[in-house]
Amino acid sequence: QSALTQPPSVSGSPGQSVTISCTGTIEDVGSFNRVSWYQQSPGTAPKLMIYEVANRPSGVPARFSGSKSGNTASLTISGLQAEDEADYYCSSYSSFSTLGVFGPGTKVTVL
Amino acid sequence: EVQLVQSGAEVKKPGESLRISCKSSGYNFDTYWIAWVRQMPGKGLECMGVIYPGVSDTRYSPSFQGQVTISADKSTGTAYVQWSSLRASDTAMYYCARQTANCSRTSCSPDFDYWGQGTLVTVSS
Repeated sequence: QSALTQPPSVSGSPGQSVTISCTGTIEDVGSFNRVSWYQQSPGTAPKLMIYEVANRPSGVPARFSGSKSGNTASLTISGLQAEDEADYYCSSYSSFSTLGVFGPGTKVTVL
Repeated sequence: EVQLVQSGAEVKKPGESLRISCKSSGYNFDTYWIAWVRQMPGKGLECMGVIYPGVSDTRYSPSFQGQVTISADKSTGTAYVQWSSLRASDTAMYYCARQTANCSRTSCSPDFDYWGQGTLVTVSS
């Protein structure tokens, strides 16, 4: 059982926006700005998309954005494209877990 | 260019031992934590443990403590994870990943900016 909660799936049509939530507790998401998001396409390694809640690594399109409110972090994909279809995982620093915590993943489907 | 290149897929029998590797290039291996992450078939990501090659400081998830051994060879820039006695439940994809930030005395943050391509380990009789 994951320490963070994510919806199993979200979907949207090309050009639409979708938002994935990542809910934790005061021991992780709520107290620390160390939330990351990873994209994993089938058969490939995860790729860092967002770090420290809202920062994009070089090369990640600006349509990916992150935010946080209370114990919930969110990843928004604006202007959804077919290539965005993948699994997305959130992670967070945790005061209760030596190595941090991951969410169970959310499958994004582009209709 | 930072790269992490992992060893190839393995097929083993229960009870056998195994060591898989992750060779780094393009950065100072000694000064970044390296993590090993497990992904069981159809499942999510689990951080097994991390190592700081500079001083071989190693931290394990409680779920993996005593089940695997993580090590690093500074001379070759290579990290390893090994099993002394594999089980069928060890069947999974294993990734190494470079951690962006240092661990504190007690905790690490799972922020990984570069990943290896993965090593598939299959354990079956």
